[in-house]
Amino acid sequence: DGGITQSPKYLFRKEGQNVTLSCEQNLNHDAMYWYRQDPGQGLRLIYYSQIVNDFQKGDIAEGYSVSREKKESFPLTVTSAQKNPTAFYLCASSSLEGTEAFFGQGTRLTVV
Amino acid sequence: GQQVMQIPQYQHVQEGEDFTTYCNSSTTLSNIQWYKQRPGGHPVFLIQLVKSGEVKKQKRLTFQFGEAKKNSSLHITATQTTDVGTYFCGTSGSARQLTFGSGTQLTVLP
Repeated sequence: DGGITQSPKYLFRKEGQNVTLSCEQNLNHDAMYWYRQDPGQGLRLIYYSQIVNDFQKGDIAEGYSVSREKKESFPLTVTSAQKNPTAFYLCASSSLEGTEAFFGQGTRLTVV
Repeated sequence: GQQVMQIPQYQHVQEGEDFTTYCNSSTTLSNIQWYKQRPGGHPVFLIQLVKSGEVKKQKRLTFQFGEAKKNSSLHITATQTTDVGTYFCGTSGSARQLTFGSGTQLTVLP
């Protein structure tokens, strides 16, 4: 069953702690993306990667870090430097030919 | 990356009325993609347009790409309650940086 999986669906953390969100895809896609969505807001690009061991900052990369050690995986770390981390985080993947992007179910992060 | 502006931010319609959302850019776009996100869900791809003046239809949905490739629209004819959700336009530039507009949240009143 092909797709893109994010885990966990809900995540709670204390302020000041780093937290890593998982994103795995078995679609053989080269490109992967992380977005942040706040209530009533659009999708803001955090980081994206087109190939293993390479990634680029999006519009709101400050306070976040990523890695792309495997084609299938693109984990996002929300660091303590992120001033307002509570949000809905969406991971997506697509082929480099640039057609449709497939999104995971999202992780809702709450920092208390 | 390329920026796209989307209007309106919110739209309430009576069931059976039509609905349109617009996506605009100050620069020429290589493509435009449209997605729908149901409440509590994740965005799902609807369509991609790449040609100047392109028009595509999916049942009650009509998608247009402007002649100058700087704007696009999504029109829904005779809305139904199943059309409720947020509609996003997005574009990928030469760097494959897939960016989105702020979305239009559609509410359909029965």
